[in-house]
Amino acid sequence: DTAVSQTPKYLVTQMGNDKSIKCEQNLGHDTMYWYKQDSKKFLKIMFSYNNKELIINETVPNRFSPKSPDKAHLNLHINSLELGDSAVYFCASSSLVAGANYGYTFGSGTRLTVV
Amino acid sequence: GENVEQHPSTLSVQEGDSAVIKCTYSDSASNYFPWYKQELGKGPQLIIDIRSNVGEKKDQRIAVTLNKTAKHFSLHITETQPEDSAVYFCAASSNNNDMRFGAGTRLTVKP
Repeated sequence: DTAVSQTPKYLVTQMGNDKSIKCEQNLGHDTMYWYKQDSKKFLKIMFSYNNKELIINETVPNRFSPKSPDKAHLNLHINSLELGDSAVYFCASSSLVAGANYGYTFGSGTRLTVV
Repeated sequence: GENVEQHPSTLSVQEGDSAVIKCTYSDSASNYFPWYKQELGKGPQLIIDIRSNVGEKKDQRIAVTLNKTAKHFSLHITETQPEDSAVYFCAASSNNNDMRFGAGTRLTVKP
């Protein structure tokens, strides 16, 4: 199946731990994103990578570090987890074709709970 | 940067009625306006989109309209069904593909 796959789906961890979320897309897209969705459902962009190059880096604590080993993968590593990091994290991908945007394809989300 | 506002935040309609969700955007360079539907426990899914060179687009029971002058765009769902219940997001982006989302509308369709 062509899709954006992210793992794990659920992640429960203690404050202060370090954790990673992985994302892979097999759609041939050249751009990948991480979004954070809070309890009020607001979708906030965190990072965007185009062909392994960071192009968007919103005001996110430097405890969050994205890594893109190739254009099909974008992982998110979080150090020293805090209670406020609890949220659903979505990976997405898209393509720019002839300068025109196309819609994002989202993964199914990772629900992170910090206790 | 782009700022997208979406109204209402919640919308409840009777099955068979129409539902309308409205968005405004701030950046006149924005030229692509997608709409996403997010069902419980799932990621947002693209349901329809419109580009700035057209004013209206329809796909079965769903239609989008765009007023570039007023920087408004709207989602119209006709003959609503219980399975239309979800959170709907509008978004806007320009050629840099930096897409900004509205805050979402929780639509409930009562049988």
